[in-house]
Amino acid sequence: EAQVTQNPRYLITVTGKKLTVTCSQNMNHEYMSWYRQDPGLGLRQIYYSMNVEATDKGDVPEGYKVSRKEKRNFPLILESPSPNQTSLYFCASSLGFRTGNLYEQYFGPGTRLTVT
Amino acid sequence: AQSVAQPEDQVNVAEGNPLTVKCTYSVSGNPYLFWYVQYPNRGLQFLLKYITGDNLVKGSYGFEAEFNKSQTSFHLKKPSALVSDSALYFCAVRDGGYSTLTFGKGTMLLVSP
Repeated sequence: EAQVTQNPRYLITVTGKKLTVTCSQNMNHEYMSWYRQDPGLGLRQIYYSMNVEATDKGDVPEGYKVSRKEKRNFPLILESPSPNQTSLYFCASSLGFRTGNLYEQYFGPGTRLTVT
Repeated sequence: AQSVAQPEDQVNVAEGNPLTVKCTYSVSGNPYLFWYVQYPNRGLQFLLKYITGDNLVKGSYGFEAEFNKSQTSFHLKKPSALVSDSALYFCAVRDGGYSTLTFGKGTMLLVSP
């Protein structure tokens, strides 16, 4: 089954304790992205990756890191989480993102993170 | 820069009635437009998209959207609403020259029996 998986689905942690949220897709997609969803703010893009070893900042990258060493995986790293990073996080992937082409994104189920 | 606005936080409609969820956008180049739906405790699901061509785009679950360049709008429509359509709907836009997708804040659609 074609899908985007995220782990963990739920995470409660404390301020400053490094954490990683994994994201994996089995569709051989080039483009991957991380979003956070907050009430009244919709989805905001954190980071995206056009392909392996190619990552770039989205609208709200502060406090986050990503890496894209393999095509299928795109982990989100919070080196020193703070309470304002409490949110619902979504990973997404799509075939590509070139000018002239428009492919829909497939979303993972979400990771609900609480930082106390 | 690109932006998208969904002016209604919530839309209420009775089952069987037509529904419209509004979206307006701002881009400097050619707009690429999407609608996504989010059911409770789920990720977003793709409904439909517009690149070029016919202004009326048909998508999943009987939804359609009308692109209006002069009004910079991309409203989502359905002729007859179902209770199961109740969900959170997001409009998204990409300016042709950019690599990022910008989402609106979402509109909650509530369909009453």
